[in-house]
Amino acid sequence: QSVLTQPPSASGTPGQRVTISCSGSSSNIGSNYVYWYQQLPGTAPQLLIYRNNQRPSGVPDRFSGSKSGTSASLAISGLRSEDEADYYCATWDDSLSGVAFGGGTKLTVL
Amino acid sequence: EVQLVESGGGLVQPGGSLRLSCAASGFIFSSYWMHWVRQVPGKGLVWVSRIKSDGSSTDYADSVKGRFTISRDNAKNTLYLQMNSLRAEDTAVYYCASNIFGLLGSWGQGTLVTVSS
Repeated sequence: QSVLTQPPSASGTPGQRVTISCSGSSSNIGSNYVYWYQQLPGTAPQLLIYRNNQRPSGVPDRFSGSKSGTSASLAISGLRSEDEADYYCATWDDSLSGVAFGGGTKLTVL
Repeated sequence: EVQLVESGGGLVQPGGSLRLSCAASGFIFSSYWMHWVRQVPGKGLVWVSRIKSDGSSTDYADSVKGRFTISRDNAKNTLYLQMNSLRAEDTAVYYCASNIFGLLGSWGQGTLVTVSS
């Protein structure tokens, strides 16, 4: 049981826009930045979004993040086949004194 | 270019010990908090531990507290995870990650730890 709640799966067709939600509480998302990671099959996770809505250099602007209250979301526009991956949200949890992850969302490009 | 390279994984019997290492390059290692995160193949990411830039503060997940010890050698740009009293449920790929960009900004390729008799 993960501290942050994500849908286990999401899907879309090429060119579509998909969103992945991440729900938490006041001790984690409600009081800390949210981060998103992409894990392509067989590889290590990579940072996709930091501090709620910032993109590291090299991440396409098709990826965007937002946060409101105790929830956050990742949006992917202009979906491409290479976006097929697992996506994780994460943040610091003040109650746990540790990093809280979502359970991950497997994105399928149909 | 930021690089993190883990080593030290392998097969160990239940109750045994293992020390993982993570060699860092391409950034000022001594300026950043560092973390260990693990992942059972096919499952999600689980945070294990973190250590402050100067090594003066550490935090652990409850599941490893008292058994695992995180440490670092800033002169060698290396992060460590000493794992004792290993259990079958500790079997996972272990990643080291740096706090560049705020939290887990850069990850290594991971090293597999298998606890089995």
